[in-house]
Amino acid sequence: DGGITQSPKYLFRKEGQNVTLSCEQNLNHDAMYWYRQDPGQGLRLIYYSQIVNDFQKGDIAEGYSVSREKKESFPLTVTSAQKNPTAFYLCASRHPPGASNQPQHFGDGTRLSIL
Amino acid sequence: GNSVTQMEGPVTLSEEAFLTINCTYTATGYPSLFWYVQYPGEGLQLLLKATKADDKGSNKGFEATYRKETTSFHLEKGSVQVSDSAVYFCALSDPDSNYQLIWGAGTKLIIKP
Repeated sequence: DGGITQSPKYLFRKEGQNVTLSCEQNLNHDAMYWYRQDPGQGLRLIYYSQIVNDFQKGDIAEGYSVSREKKESFPLTVTSAQKNPTAFYLCASRHPPGASNQPQHFGDGTRLSIL
Repeated sequence: GNSVTQMEGPVTLSEEAFLTINCTYTATGYPSLFWYVQYPGEGLQLLLKATKADDKGSNKGFEATYRKETTSFHLEKGSVQVSDSAVYFCALSDPDSNYQLIWGAGTKLIIKP
């Protein structure tokens, strides 16, 4: 079955450490997205990519970085510059990117905590 | 800019009660509208969508009608079950940003047996 796989499900970060969250999709979607969700809050866009080798900052990109070297993969690195990384991170994809009526498809999320 | 406003939760209902979760929006152009559901510890799942005025989206007993005159997309269900307990998000595709999704804050629904 096609879908989006996020790993790991739970991740712990030590002070000063960078960690990378994996997102892989086999839906053949061009666009991919990373969101952050805090308890009781909605979704905030971190980064998005509409095509391989291109990506744009979302509303809260500071302290995060991404790459899009392959269509099916969009890893997110939470750097040590992100002082409050504890949150639930969601990856999504969509195709085609600019179609009004197309929904985003989501993975099951990664929960990141500080040790 | 364009925006989505949802009623605050939590909304607590008894099983078999009628559900309404309000969603209103501000948008230029002609966005599509979506409802997503998030069960505890999981990602979001598309529940239903509507792509133009007066369209009704429906799925699993849930319905929502795209009302351009009132800029609303309220979610309704005639008889809720305990298994409907989740967080519900309203979203629109933003014509001003290449149809990125703009999200409401989410409404937590609690159904008591």
